[in-house]
Amino acid sequence: KNEVEQSPQNLTAQEGEFITINCSYSVGISALHWLQQHPGGGIVSLFMLSSGKKKHGRLIATINIQEKHSSLHITASHPRDSAVYICAVTPPNTGNQFYFGTGTSLTVIP
Amino acid sequence: DTEVTQTPKHLVMGMTNKKSLKCEQHMGHRAMYWYKQKAKKPPELMFVYSYEKLSINESVPSRFSPECPNSSLLNLHLHALQPEDSALYLCASSRVDRFDQPQHFGDGTRLSIL
Repeated sequence: KNEVEQSPQNLTAQEGEFITINCSYSVGISALHWLQQHPGGGIVSLFMLSSGKKKHGRLIATINIQEKHSSLHITASHPRDSAVYICAVTPPNTGNQFYFGTGTSLTVIP
Repeated sequence: DTEVTQTPKHLVMGMTNKKSLKCEQHMGHRAMYWYKQKAKKPPELMFVYSYEKLSINESVPSRFSPECPNSSLLNLHLHALQPEDSALYLCASSRVDRFDQPQHFGDGTRLSIL
């Protein structure tokens, strides 16, 4: 069983749509990360959360510690948002590893 | 532009070759990481360097040999690799070696073993 589950695995959206990607985890955490990986391979760290909500441009990340759940929202989606979005969590106390989700592959069609 | 630079971007090598992957950052980060990523899978941690010393080796085969010559550079020396070692190799850095800190990733080296 994976410590981190993401849904959906694949998502296709029309340009301009509001998108939500979900991440549920089964372990205690000190931080949750949202990462973006483009087809070329490079990874960009989008957010690191330990509580509440963060916003950067059209991206919003929320976390509910009690429910062990986080969401990544993309408003006014654009084809350049097409990428794999990966959720990763850091257990408390050790802080020396990630548990990765399996990723959500997003395609935004013009 | 990524703040973590990896070279080369692509590498094809035979099983008897010796090659090296390079990673460089100038953000003053004191922790650097090597990850291996197979297609459609999340990254797998290989090594962590903290203040230029190896702090984590995730039971990686000895045909992979990391080196941290200084706080800005991280190398991964490759020798006698197997076809199953073909993957994307990602370097990352963070201010300190804790995973509750943001990590900055490079674009990766795509390695193919013939």
